[in-house]
Amino acid sequence: QVQLVQSGSELKKPGASVRVSCEPSGYTFSSSSINWVRQAPGQGLEWMGYISTTSGNAKYAQDFRGRFAFSLDTTVTTAYLEISSLRTEDTATYYCARDSGWYFTYWGQGTRVTVSS
Amino acid sequence: QSALTQPPSVSGSPGQSITISCTGTNSDIGDYKDVSWYQQHPGKVPKLIIYAVNNRPSGVPERFSGSKSGNTASLTISGLQAEDEADYYCSSYRRSATLAFGGGTKVTVL
Repeated sequence: QVQLVQSGSELKKPGASVRVSCEPSGYTFSSSSINWVRQAPGQGLEWMGYISTTSGNAKYAQDFRGRFAFSLDTTVTTAYLEISSLRTEDTATYYCARDSGWYFTYWGQGTRVTVSS
Repeated sequence: QSALTQPPSVSGSPGQSITISCTGTNSDIGDYKDVSWYQQHPGKVPKLIIYAVNNRPSGVPERFSGSKSGNTASLTISGLQAEDEADYYCSSYRRSATLAFGGGTKVTVL
């Protein structure tokens, strides 16, 4: 069955960096792009962008250009989200999701990133 | 970029029907059929319940239905049940290969 398994919770200080991993299984990795979605505590879903698992090209939503970077390691079929220069407002749950055509049938379990001094 | 517009909350009694609206523009909902809806219970992962305006994934009850008119999409829950109490989010493809979510609607079953 299709699963996307994400890395565990992170506690970081402001200014640090964090990398969240997303390891899909149960389907051909290169058949679907991986999207990233943010949900701040008590808030709604925000689409961050996606990375093509064939070309490695990434598309970022306007609010996520600059400190956010998507990457792939095709040798271990894993996608990554890296956030640099962390701010307290980056505290959120980050989800990866398999693209099925601009909708997401399969999601990772979410990774909680807490930024606090 | 602004989110799609949803009412913050909708409520109904068991057995009733409710409709959640999702208003966008002619750069997203008005021009594309890639409208989806997600259900999210507290502390849980979002679950796809409608895709491509009015299609239900396997396993989603028939009481969930979607539609679109102009720049507004709608999710209707017919025969509201207690387990339908959750947050609901719409999403739409937006011009230039981007996606937008709505702000979310909290559904309360009275």
